[in-house]
This record gives sequence, C-alpha cells and structure tokens, in this order.
Amino acid sequence: GENVEQHPSTLSVQEGDSAVIKCTYSDSASNYFPWYKQELGKGPQLIIDIRSNVGEKKDQRIAVTLNKTAKHFSLHITETQPEDSAVYFCAARGQNFVFGPGTRLSVLP
Amino acid sequence: DAGVIQSPRHEVTEMGQEVTLRCKPISGHDYLFWYRQTMMRGLELLIYFNNNVPIDDSGMPEDRFSAKMPNASFSTLKIQPSEPRDSAVYFCAISNSANTGELFFGEGSRLTVL
Repeated sequence: GENVEQHPSTLSVQEGDSAVIKCTYSDSASNYFPWYKQELGKGPQLIIDIRSNVGEKKDQRIAVTLNKTAKHFSLHITETQPEDSAVYFCAARGQNFVFGPGTRLSVLP
Repeated sequence: DAGVIQSPRHEVTEMGQEVTLRCKPISGHDYLFWYRQTMMRGLELLIYFNNNVPIDDSGMPEDRFSAKMPNASFSTLKIQPSEPRDSAVYFCAISNSANTGELFFGEGSRLTVL
C-alpha cells in the first residue's frame, strides 16, 4: 500500500520568511496530492491540492510542486504570517488515501 | 467543518464502557469516512461508506469497533468495550469522491478512556 513520509516534523520561521514542507510517497499509481491545515481543536482543512498531470499549482501565498519521477511533492508558503501557524498534512491518493505524519509550523512574530 | 457535525466533542469514560460517536453530514456528499488521530500513528482511515454502504473497513482495528450509516445524514462509530489505547480524536469526513476531491472534516470527538 501507499506510504507517505513528511519532513520536517517541526518548523519555526520568522514572520515574513518562507516555509517549505516536503513529502515523498511510494505508490507510483497515486494521482492526487492534497495538503491540509489543522488548527488547534479543529479538523483538517484543505488548503491546496495538485493532480498528477500538473507540476505546480499556486494560490496566493501558497504553492505546491510535484515531481512524479522522484515521487515527491512540496508545499511552499511565502510571506508567512502568525495565522499560518498550524499542523500541515500532506496526503497521497492511489488505491488508498494516506496522510503524512504532519509538520507543526510555528511563525514567530 | 460547517458541513459535518460531530458529537460528543469530548468524552471521558472508563475502560470497558461502550462508546458511541456520532456524525451528521450535510446532504449531497456520497462518501463518509471515519478517521482516528493519535500522536503516534497520525491520521488513520478506519472505514468509509458510499451511499450509506460500508466499502472498506480494513482500517477498523478490532472487532470492538463497529460503524453504521443508517441513512445519508447520520453515522455512528461504536467501541465496545473501550480500552485506554482507544484514546484518540475521531474525525468524520465527507466527500463527493473516494479517490480525489476535497475531504470536509468535522471538528472531531476527543475520546479519553481511563
């Protein structure tokens, strides 16, 4: 089955700096890669997703890149703000829908 | 999360007791998922339904766990008997697809088994 790894597990950045979170997956048949943000006491919420026929997708300060050959994808957040502080999960969907272990992002004012 | 209502939000119970977690999804989504979240294992899929029918329950850890979806607007996850290692946050999520598309999560039910 699918296995998703995510790095780093924790990340601290200064407000205004960029943050990058990386994920790798094992199932070459996976074709859908969403990113979720989870704030304290809440359920995960989709922030951006990418499908296997696209290499990059942007939505304002958030971008995701996908390298299908290397089986890895990354989340990029630019001009970070304190409200970006949360736990971020990547996921990969092939036969199964599998989440990465999460990255706790802290944006320091 | 406005599309999925979970109850209770918090439950504390003693080992051996029966626990029932509830999920009320908004209409129009054919798929319903139950996830469990722990520090050690992250987000794990327990079971999912399509049009109220259980499709994949391979993630259900033991026979102590059962889930039902009697209609499109209600689902339950039951643990009987509960054990301390069942302590976790349980999420219900809905989607229009099993393979792609957004998962809408509820706010979760935090279960503590003493």
